[in-house]
Amino acid sequence: GENVEQHPSTLSVQEGDSAVIKCTYSDSASNYFPWYKQELGKRPQLIIDIRSNVGEKKDQRIAVTLNKTAKHFSLHITETQPEDSAVYFCAATLIWGQNFVFGPGTRLSVLP
Amino acid sequence: DGGITQSPKYLFRKEGQNVTLSCEQNLNHDAMYWYRQDPGQGLRLIYYSQIVNDFQKGDIAEGYSVSREKKESFPLTVTSAQKNPTAFYLCASSEGQGVGEQYFGPGTRLTVT
Repeated sequence: GENVEQHPSTLSVQEGDSAVIKCTYSDSASNYFPWYKQELGKRPQLIIDIRSNVGEKKDQRIAVTLNKTAKHFSLHITETQPEDSAVYFCAATLIWGQNFVFGPGTRLSVLP
Repeated sequence: DGGITQSPKYLFRKEGQNVTLSCEQNLNHDAMYWYRQDPGQGLRLIYYSQIVNDFQKGDIAEGYSVSREKKESFPLTVTSAQKNPTAFYLCASSEGQGVGEQYFGPGTRLTVT
């Protein structure tokens, strides 16, 4: 089955700097890769996703890149703000018929 | 925060007791999921259901049971057989199994002493 690894487990950056979180997956058939953000005490919420027919997707300060050959994808946050502090989870799945496999999460702290 | 709800937010039980966590959604989603989240760990799948009256075990189903009698509802029972039940439990739903975004409920924090 699918296995998703995520690094780093914790990340601290200064406000205004960029943050990068990387995930690797094992099943080359996986073709949908969402990223969820979970603020302290709250539910996870989808922030961006990418499908395997696309190499990069951007939404304002957030971008995700996918390297299918190497089986890894990354979340990039630019101009970080204190409200970006949260735990971020990546996941991988086939679009049809399989459940998400989540990475273990990255705790991002943005220092003022 | 509408769409998918869980109750209660906090739950305390004595060891050896079964306890049922509620999950309701009004999104008309076919698929529903239960995850367990422990400190410093990701989301681990307990059970999932693709349609009414059908459900499948996830990665950590031992000690848990579910039912899916209605499309809107997917309750989870934590039985006394679950060796380490204290955790944060999240319910989620999606249009179909593995299809698109999973919408999460606010979670139930269960403490068993």
